[in-house]
Amino acid sequence: DAGVTQSPTHLIKTRGQQVTLRCSPKSGHDTVSWYQQALGQGPQFIFQYYEEEERQRGNFPDRFSGHQFPNYSSELNVNALLLGDSALYLCASSWAGEDTQYFGPGTRLTVL
Amino acid sequence: AQSVTQLGSHVSVSEGALVLLRCNYSSSVPPYLFWYVQYPNQGLQLLLKYTTGATLVKGINGFEAEFKKSETSFHLTKPSAHMSDAAEYFCAVTSGWTGNNRKLIWGLGTSLAVNP
Repeated sequence: DAGVTQSPTHLIKTRGQQVTLRCSPKSGHDTVSWYQQALGQGPQFIFQYYEEEERQRGNFPDRFSGHQFPNYSSELNVNALLLGDSALYLCASSWAGEDTQYFGPGTRLTVL
Repeated sequence: AQSVTQLGSHVSVSEGALVLLRCNYSSSVPPYLFWYVQYPNQGLQLLLKYTTGATLVKGINGFEAEFKKSETSFHLTKPSAHMSDAAEYFCAVTSGWTGNNRKLIWGLGTSLAVNP
């Protein structure tokens, strides 16, 4: 049983560009959450998707948007990249009705 | 609002010594508490969690934690450190939103070094 997978592993972009990160949840999971982890910091909640809708959102600007597909996979899009967007982006999946979130390996985004 | 404070950004122990990583939380509703471990260049792996019931919870790799409501603490311990325990450890608490799949509020993490 594959766990949570994310792609790509690493990504380098320049300021002003747009980026799309992808996540496939663990089998049987229907909820996907995205977190941003800056170097030396704890993760910060970006948003959560369930039944293809954004259910909760953290304190992130509208430049951060997402989508969940019918197969429960998800995308995180970031527009107009800033240097401060450089971070490890973590995807976590869970099953509605259970509190444990399972994390993927993350995507390391570097903005130059 | 909920918050997590991890005391000590860096902890160093000798192999075989007791590991104690401290976590205090603030929550206006009954919390669910988690400890995750992160190895270099990897994602987060769940060590253990407290939801309801027994306040002493056991996790993987010999770790355990005790929920103490009166002290608003959820400290992580392991009787005997192993070199492979060297990693970053994060304590997290659920938000006040009632329902499933609460978002996680995280501490800043504690880096554990194990010396031979």
